Amino acid sequence: QKEVEQNSGPLSVPEGAIASLNCTYSDRVSQSFFWYRQYSGKSPELIMSIYSNGDKEDGRFTAQLNKASQYVSLLIRDSQPSDSATYLCAVEGDSSYKLIFGSGTRLLVRP
Amino acid sequence: DTAVSQTPKYLVTQMGNDKSIKCEQNLGHDTMYWYKQDSKKFLKIMFSYNNKELIINETVPNRFSPKSPDKAHLNLHINSLELGDSAVYFCASSQRPTGRHNEQFFGPGTRLTVL
Repeated sequence: QKEVEQNSGPLSVPEGAIASLNCTYSDRVSQSFFWYRQYSGKSPELIMSIYSNGDKEDGRFTAQLNKASQYVSLLIRDSQPSDSATYLCAVEGDSSYKLIFGSGTRLLVRP
Repeated sequence: DTAVSQTPKYLVTQMGNDKSIKCEQNLGHDTMYWYKQDSKKFLKIMFSYNNKELIINETVPNRFSPKSPDKAHLNLHINSLELGDSAVYFCASSQRPTGRHNEQFFGPGTRLTVL
């Protein structure tokens, strides 16, 4: 069974700090990786995708991928209280149509 | 201009009833999905259709039957509802197979409560 692991948290950071969210995956052949943000009672919203090793930056968000170590991370710079949500890591599974989701990390940004 | 829409948003029903959830996307995507998110927030794929053809059918009780009348619509019918079916059901769509990567976009969800 292919797995995606995340620490459930909550990860608590003060406003303005860098929040670092991590995800490991078991399928060595996975090629596509995604971060979704889910506010309580809402649907998952795609915020970052990454496909090759290294860093990818988009505004305050940076996704990092290391295929050799099978981990992907999300950094949120200058964290805001509005960033408080659950962050879901998703990895393309054994079918190119399938995403396998981690159980999510709850982030709490303290004002 | 909602990209992926679902109806109803809430569904409260008795055990043993049959119910349907409808999903529509106006993104022009070829592939649609049903996911179940349980109380622990774990999001799991149930079904996927590509241009009306079933391509993913995870280990789901056969009380659940998806139907795709066209590539913009995917419905989920559930027979003989059980307490354990209570969850939030999300519809999603992606450009697969034509899109290079499987970026999926989610609808607002349907919260199903079985009493």
